[in-house]
Amino acid sequence: QVHLVESGGGVVQPGTSLRLSCAASGFTFSTVGMHWVRQAPGKGLDWVAVISYDGNNKYYADSVKGRFTISRDNAKKMLFLQMNSLTTEDTAVYFCARWSPLLPLDYWGQGTLVTVSS
Amino acid sequence: EFVLTQSPDTLSLSPGERATLSCRASQSVGSNYLGWYQQKLGQAPRLLIYGASTRATGVPDRFSGSGSGTDFTLTISRLEPEDFAVYYCQRYGASPYIFGQGTRLEIK
Repeated sequence: QVHLVESGGGVVQPGTSLRLSCAASGFTFSTVGMHWVRQAPGKGLDWVAVISYDGNNKYYADSVKGRFTISRDNAKKMLFLQMNSLTTEDTAVYFCARWSPLLPLDYWGQGTLVTVSS
Repeated sequence: EFVLTQSPDTLSLSPGERATLSCRASQSVGSNYLGWYQQKLGQAPRLLIYGASTRATGVPDRFSGSGSGTDFTLTISRLEPEDFAVYYCQRYGASPYIFGQGTRLEIK
C-alpha cells in the first residue's frame, strides 16, 4: 500500500538551513506530483510547495518563495524540501503528500517536526 | 488573492445529529477542484471528498459534498463518535493550493 515517511526535522536556530526528505513506496512515484504542507502547533494546514511528476514544474507559497526549494529523485522514490533562512514562523510539522491526476492530496505521511528557536 | 473561508469555526453537535460545514471561495473554483479533509488530533489529514462531491475510497456514505463556483458544503448525515475532528477544504486545481482555516466539529 501507499506509504510516505518524512524525515530530517529537528531543532535549528533562526537563519539556518534544513533539508527534509520523504521516502515513498507502494506506488509508481515517477507518475504523480508531490506536495509539502505544514502545520504550525495548534494551527491549520498551510500549503508550502508542489512539484510535478517529472520535476519540471514547481510552485511555492509566497511565504517560502526564494527560501525553500522542492525537488525529487524519481530513481530513489524520494521527495525533498531544502529550507534556507529559517525563521520562527517556519516552526511546524511538515507533511509530504501525494497528488494524483484530477485528485487532491490523497495520501499523506505522518509528518516531521521542525522547530526554529534560538 | 484567493481565499477559502470556512464556517463556522467550531460546530458543537451530538452523535446522531446532522452536520453542515461551509467553505466559501473568494473566486470561482475552476472545474470544481475542491476537496475536503478530516484531521484528528495527532494524525495526518485524510481525504474525504474530491471534485466537490465525490467520496474518496473507503469514505462512509454519511459524508457528502456539494456546491459549485464559490460555495461548497460538506454534510455528515448522522454523526458517529469518530467523526468529531477538524475539517478543511482545499482548492487543488491551481497554485496556490490554498486550505480553508478549518472547522472544528466537537461533541456537545
